[in-house]
Amino acid sequence: SQELEQSPQSLIVQEGKNLTINCTSSKTLYGLYWYKQKYGEGLIFLMMLQKGGEEKSHEKITAKLDEKKQQSSLHITASQPSHAGIYLCGGPRRGVPGNQFYFGTGTSLTVIP
Amino acid sequence: DTAVSQTPKYLVTQMGNDKSIKCEQNLGHDTMYWYKQDSKKFLKIMFSYNNKELIINETVPNRFSPKSPDKAHLNLHINSLELGDSAVYFCASSLAGEQETQYFGPGTRLLVL
Repeated sequence: SQELEQSPQSLIVQEGKNLTINCTSSKTLYGLYWYKQKYGEGLIFLMMLQKGGEEKSHEKITAKLDEKKQQSSLHITASQPSHAGIYLCGGPRRGVPGNQFYFGTGTSLTVIP
Repeated sequence: DTAVSQTPKYLVTQMGNDKSIKCEQNLGHDTMYWYKQDSKKFLKIMFSYNNKELIINETVPNRFSPKSPDKAHLNLHINSLELGDSAVYFCASSLAGEQETQYFGPGTRLLVL
C-alpha cells in the first residue's frame, strides 16, 4: 500500500471552476509538501505545511494541513489553463533517517479553456 | 539561474548498454537524491547522499551506482540497461535536516529499446 494516497487520481475542470485535491498519509509526516509537475517537466515546489491546522495561500492556491498532520488539501480557486499539470503531495516521515521523501500517487489536472 | 540541473534531458538507448545521468546543484545544499518516476507518475526514492556520503540506498538493482565527486554533484550510472529501466529520473537537493524542502531537477527521460 502507498504511504500517501491522493484523490482524485485525475480531474478535468472547466476554466474558472474551483477544485480540491486531497492527500492522506498513513503515517505522521514532519511536513507536508505540495509540488506541481508540468507535463514533461520537473517538479516545482508550491508550498510546505508544517504545523497541524496550518493553512497557506499563494495566488489562487490554498493548502491546508489537518491537526493530526496526516491529511492535507489543495484548493484552486477560479482555475486557469496554467494550473494544468500533475500535483504531488509528499514529505519526510518521522523516524526515517536521511530526509527520505514519500510521495503521493499524484493527481492529474486538466483545465479546459 | 538553474538551481538543480540534469543532463541529458532525454536518453534513448539499446538494452544492455551502460549510461550515465549527471546532476548538479548550485544551491549550496548538503543532501542530494535520485528518484525514479514510473509510468503511473509515482515517485520513488533510489538514493540519498549527504556531503558525498551515501545515507539511503533503497532496493535498487546493483546495476545502478550513484557517484558523488563533491557535494554539488550526484551522478547516476546504470549498467546493462533493461527495458524496465525506462522511466523519468529526477535528481533533487536539500539542505541537511529532516524538514528541508527538496528542490528538483527537470528530470531525465530514459527510454530503453
